[in-house]
Amino acid sequence: GNSVTQMEGPVTLSEEAFLTINCTYTATGYPSLFWYVQYPGEGLQLLLKATKADDKGSNKGFEATYRKETTSFHLEKGSVQVSDSAVYFCALCSNYQLIWGAGTKLIIKP
Amino acid sequence: DSGVTQTPKHLITATGQRVTLRCSPRSGDLSVYWYQQSLDQGLQFLIQYYNGEERAKGNILERFSAQQFPDLHSELNLSSLELGDSALYFCASSATSDPSYNEQFFGPGTRLTVL
Repeated sequence: GNSVTQMEGPVTLSEEAFLTINCTYTATGYPSLFWYVQYPGEGLQLLLKATKADDKGSNKGFEATYRKETTSFHLEKGSVQVSDSAVYFCALCSNYQLIWGAGTKLIIKP
Repeated sequence: DSGVTQTPKHLITATGQRVTLRCSPRSGDLSVYWYQQSLDQGLQFLIQYYNGEERAKGNILERFSAQQFPDLHSELNLSSLELGDSALYFCASSATSDPSYNEQFFGPGTRLTVL
């Protein structure tokens, strides 16, 4: 069946470090892919998305590229800030429903 | 603020009871989605309604049911509650019925504790 696998957290980085959170997926066809972010005590917010192979989604300095050949959608940011501390979820859309990864908690230390 | 409201914020109840969670979507959004977030199972899609009709069904137990009313607000009913139903329940809304292309806007969630 369809599934999403994310790297386990927590991921702890210093401010201004480079961030990569890995996400790979298993699906039939070419699903749309998403990254959502959940700040403490809040609901999820869409961070970025890609709807077809080789698309690059970007927002707030974060980027992810839809890689069909490696079935991946890794999240990257060049220089993280303390305010980026949150839980990040990778998801795919299949059969009109979002299938979610387990989430990766990111902690940024000043 | 996403524009999606959920009530109540917290709910504490006993096993075997029944509760109703309420969601009001963003103004103009026709789709409502329900999700369950728990420590052991992560985030799971339960059900989607679009303009009053059931659109998609996920891992929703038979003890759970939902509906969307003519004013587009939605309710999730959980009955014969078990300890394992303790979780954060999110509602989300979007403008159209296809989640492939449209952003979902999430409410702040209802935290259910079953004792």
